[in-house]
Amino acid sequence: GESVGLHLPTLSVQEGDNSIINCAYSNSASDYFIWYKQESGKGPQFIIDIRSNMDKRQGQRVTVLLNKTVKHLSLQIAATQPGDSAVYFCAEQGNDYKLSFGAGTTVTVRA
Amino acid sequence: DSGVTQTPKHLITATGQRVTLRCSPRSGDLSVYWYQQSLDQGLQFLIQYYNGEERAKGNILERFSAQQFPDLHSELNLSSLELGDSALYFCASSRTSGPSGGQFFGPGTRLTVL
Repeated sequence: GESVGLHLPTLSVQEGDNSIINCAYSNSASDYFIWYKQESGKGPQFIIDIRSNMDKRQGQRVTVLLNKTVKHLSLQIAATQPGDSAVYFCAEQGNDYKLSFGAGTTVTVRA
Repeated sequence: DSGVTQTPKHLITATGQRVTLRCSPRSGDLSVYWYQQSLDQGLQFLIQYYNGEERAKGNILERFSAQQFPDLHSELNLSSLELGDSALYFCASSRTSGPSGGQFFGPGTRLTVL
């Protein structure tokens, strides 16, 4: 079946810098996308979502961008903090309501 | 604390056995989702229930089944267990029929099949 993938498995970021985590998806019928954060030893945490009728959505320190033309999703984290160190997953959902997850990007914040 | 509870926290069993994992959603949440997370397969969506009815089905094996009860708690039944079923099983809940607006995960049940 179709799947969601991430461009890079790891990302190292200097504290205070902005982070950009990328995700490519292949199902053009997907109409809803979510970013999750998972800290070591914990369950995933819903960060932000976006529907396919939007290009951008902002939350607290996070922004999700959706480019449907190239089927690309990104998560931007402003002023990255040590507490942002985690694995980040993107997920897509189509009209069958199934959620498909990418492999995850491990973000490490350097002090 | 997300407000979603899962029991048990850890479960160790043998191949061929059957286990039941339990999930209580946050108060007021009508949807319950089950996920499996393993090192080789990553995070996999298994199934979703909304207000007692099956809403979406993912990569759930025929040996696995789930249900959501009138009080909205949910159980995931895993039978004829195999070594490859060893994984973390997460439950999540949301207020509505989809994750939009927030989806909250429990701490997970770690299943080890020996």
